[in-house]
Amino acid sequence: DGGITQSPKYLFRKEGQNVTLSCEQNLNHDAMYWYRQDPGQGLRLIYYSQIVNDFQKGDIAEGYSVSREKKESFPLTVTSAQKNPTAFYLCASRTLLSGNTIYFGEGSWLTVV
Amino acid sequence: AQTVTQSQPEMSVQEAETVTLSCTYDTSESDYYLFWYKQPPSRQMILVIRQEAYKQQNATENRFSVNFQKAAKSFSLKISDSQLGDAAMYFCARLQGGSEKLVFGKGTKLTVNP
Repeated sequence: DGGITQSPKYLFRKEGQNVTLSCEQNLNHDAMYWYRQDPGQGLRLIYYSQIVNDFQKGDIAEGYSVSREKKESFPLTVTSAQKNPTAFYLCASRTLLSGNTIYFGEGSWLTVV
Repeated sequence: AQTVTQSQPEMSVQEAETVTLSCTYDTSESDYYLFWYKQPPSRQMILVIRQEAYKQQNATENRFSVNFQKAAKSFSLKISDSQLGDAAMYFCARLQGGSEKLVFGKGTKLTVNP
């Protein structure tokens, strides 16, 4: 089946540790996005990428890093510099060719313990 | 920076009635798209309706329609004949053409009362 796969669905991290969330798509989409969702905050854009080997900061990039070495993969690393990392993280993608259909993964819950 | 504003944190509607959710946005570009997404408790994002900025005609999808006022930068969602299954968080979003930046509002929690 075509779609976006996020893993892991649930992740626990100790303070001071980096953690990487995976996002893989087999839709041949060009653009990929990472969002953070907290209660009452909606979806806030962390990073996005239009093409391989290129990405841009979103509105809350501090404490996060990404890479886009392959078209189908856009992993997000939550670094120890992120002060409040406990949140729900959503990955999305879309094609640049035709229109504006956006696909979302099922999300990853990150909890700092 | 928040460029999509949903001024109603919560709304409620009686089953079978009509409700309108508000959304305003900032942009200096002419090429952009607007969306309404529904997010039930499962957190899955479900596309409700979308609008291309260059189209003057308001989009409709069954019981869902929008009132797109380009000059006012307003994009409200009307839900007709509300059903219990419509209860969810609703997010307005703007996709900027060219830069591909996709930004969401803070959401409106919709409750449907039987």
